[in-house]
Amino acid sequence: EAGVAQSPRYKIIEKRQSVAFWCNPISGHATLYWYQQILGQGPKLLIQFQNNGVVDDSQLPKDRFSAERLKGVDSTLKIQPAKLEDSAVYLCASSLGSRDEQYFGPGTRLTVT
Amino acid sequence: AQSVSQHNHHVILSEAASLELGCNYSYGGTVNLFWYVQYPGQHLQLLLKYFSGDPLVKGIKGFEAEFIKSKFSFNLRKPSVQWSDTAEYFCAVTPLGTYKYIFGTGTRLKVLA
Repeated sequence: EAGVAQSPRYKIIEKRQSVAFWCNPISGHATLYWYQQILGQGPKLLIQFQNNGVVDDSQLPKDRFSAERLKGVDSTLKIQPAKLEDSAVYLCASSLGSRDEQYFGPGTRLTVT
Repeated sequence: AQSVSQHNHHVILSEAASLELGCNYSYGGTVNLFWYVQYPGQHLQLLLKYFSGDPLVKGIKGFEAEFIKSKFSFNLRKPSVQWSDTAEYFCAVTPLGTYKYIFGTGTRLKVLA
């Protein structure tokens, strides 16, 4: 069974630039999550999709972050414009349902200079 | 607000020592409980989970956790740690009736050879 795929693995951008991350979840998983993990902290949920609908985006900074999950499969997370404090690892995870085990991708390490 | 507390942020043990990592949550209803582990340079992955039934749950690599409902706790244990257990450990909770999936801030374990 293929795992959760994410790209790119690393990204360095200057502040005020834009960046996009891509995630391909495990086939058949209805729930998809995007997390931000800052060094030394636990994953912080940014947005949760159930199929292609958003069920929780309460911690997503909507003035600069956006995410979509077209056709209920792949997802993209965008930051525009980036700030220094956005430097973090962005994790994508998927699960069969919203209360099941999550499978995590390798993450994208973003550095904003 | 619902939260998960992991009181031990950093733990250093010698090989063969016993391990117990605390996890407490603030939610009065039914919950699913998880422990995830992140080895250096690897993805977050599931260590063990509790949905219902026997409150003593056994996971991979000799880990176990006990759900004590009256104490809102789900502590992780291992009788004898190995150097390869060096990792960061995260507790997570999903309350029934919500889409919420709440992670603790993590415990960084270092095992000295």
